[in-house]
Amino acid sequence: ETGVTQSPTHLIKTRGQQVTLRCSSQSGHNTVSWYQQALGQGPQFIFQYYREEENGRGNFPPRFSGLQFPNYSSELNVNALELDDSALYLCASNAQRGGGETQYFGPGTRLLVL
Amino acid sequence: KNEVEQSPQNLTAQEGEFITINCSYSVGISALHWLQQHPGGGIVSLFMLSSGKKKHGRLIATINIQEKHSSLHITASHPRDSAVYICAVNHNTDKLIFGTGTRLQVFP
Repeated sequence: ETGVTQSPTHLIKTRGQQVTLRCSSQSGHNTVSWYQQALGQGPQFIFQYYREEENGRGNFPPRFSGLQFPNYSSELNVNALELDDSALYLCASNAQRGGGETQYFGPGTRLLVL
Repeated sequence: KNEVEQSPQNLTAQEGEFITINCSYSVGISALHWLQQHPGGGIVSLFMLSSGKKKHGRLIATINIQEKHSSLHITASHPRDSAVYICAVNHNTDKLIFGTGTRLQVFP
């Protein structure tokens, strides 16, 4: 039990639609990162938020956007869904900023785009 | 070439065997993580290392900073150890760079 939850667990969308995925971190975890994991691959960094500000971004287009809220919850929004967006989306949180801390992962949201 | 490489990609073992999974990385790091991912997808952090060696139960993780290499060992392996083991590094930030994972199957 990591104390990090994600919703929904599974989701099916069609190409062109928009989706919002949610993550709820442990109290005091000011840093949240989102990752995309395609089937058979390691997770890829999408972006990170620290105290509600974006704190780094990977090689993902602007249609991937996020928000972090004061209550330690966060969202990943994806617009104009494409088939290749089908993946497991993971959030991970930790208390500090700067690396070198244990990451607490949520169970993931599995998104299928048809 | 990936910044984090793991070997082997797949590993099968008989219950009781000693298992080693290797990880090499090519970037400067502040920490290295060993993670376990079960078929449902959730990831559990096993170890975070910046030097030396850590042990937790039947699991041992070592890191050699000079050689940019880490190993995860499982002693007396058990079928419940079957999972994907992922090595990931903090490249000077909270952002993790992941290896592609090692799929371990332990048979009774």
